Amino acid sequence: EAGVAQSPRYKIIEKRQSVAFWCNPISGHATLYWYQQILGQGPKLLIQFQNNGVVDDSQLPKDRFSAERLKGVDSTLKIQPAKLEDSAVYLCASSLGARSVSYEQYFGPGTRLTVT
Amino acid sequence: DAKTTQPPSMDCAEGRAANLPCNHSTISGNEYVYWYRQIHSQGPQYIIHGLKNNETNEMASLIITEDRKSSTLILPHATLRDTAVYYCIALKYGNNRLAFGKGNQVVVIP
Repeated sequence: EAGVAQSPRYKIIEKRQSVAFWCNPISGHATLYWYQQILGQGPKLLIQFQNNGVVDDSQLPKDRFSAERLKGVDSTLKIQPAKLEDSAVYLCASSLGARSVSYEQYFGPGTRLTVT
Repeated sequence: DAKTTQPPSMDCAEGRAANLPCNHSTISGNEYVYWYRQIHSQGPQYIIHGLKNNETNEMASLIITEDRKSSTLILPHATLRDTAVYYCIALKYGNNRLAFGKGNQVVVIP
């Protein structure tokens, strides 16, 4: 079974530039998550999708971050414009539908973003 | 979801059992205890979860005290590949929002 795929693995941009990350979840997983992990901290949930609808985006800085999950499969996370404090690893995860008994989340390898 | 408390770091000997503690004194009756780990430069990996009964799978065992205020994750025979940050998370049934703390940096020493 293929895992969660993310690209790119690394990205370096200057502040005020834009950047986009891509995620392909495990086939059949209805729920998709984006997390931000700042160095030395645990991951923080940014947004959760159930199929192509947003379930929770309460911690997404909506003035600069946006995310979409067209057709309920792949997802993209965009930052525009980037700030120095956005430097972090961006993790994508997926799980079976919310009604599943098991809430095991499968994580991708992450995209390491450096904003200079 | 209830707050959990873990030691910031611990060492354990290769080949021995590693006992990772977690305190969740304010856990409610419908909150599960989940464990994930994160090996350096990788995404977190699910290990195990439980409600009130002890649980075991191919990776680890989870022992939850009778009052559910604390739990212990047991890695039966620690290997160098078990070196990772381990996260203990309390999660209400039906809630998928994992709230990671700083975790416990476990180093397995040869």
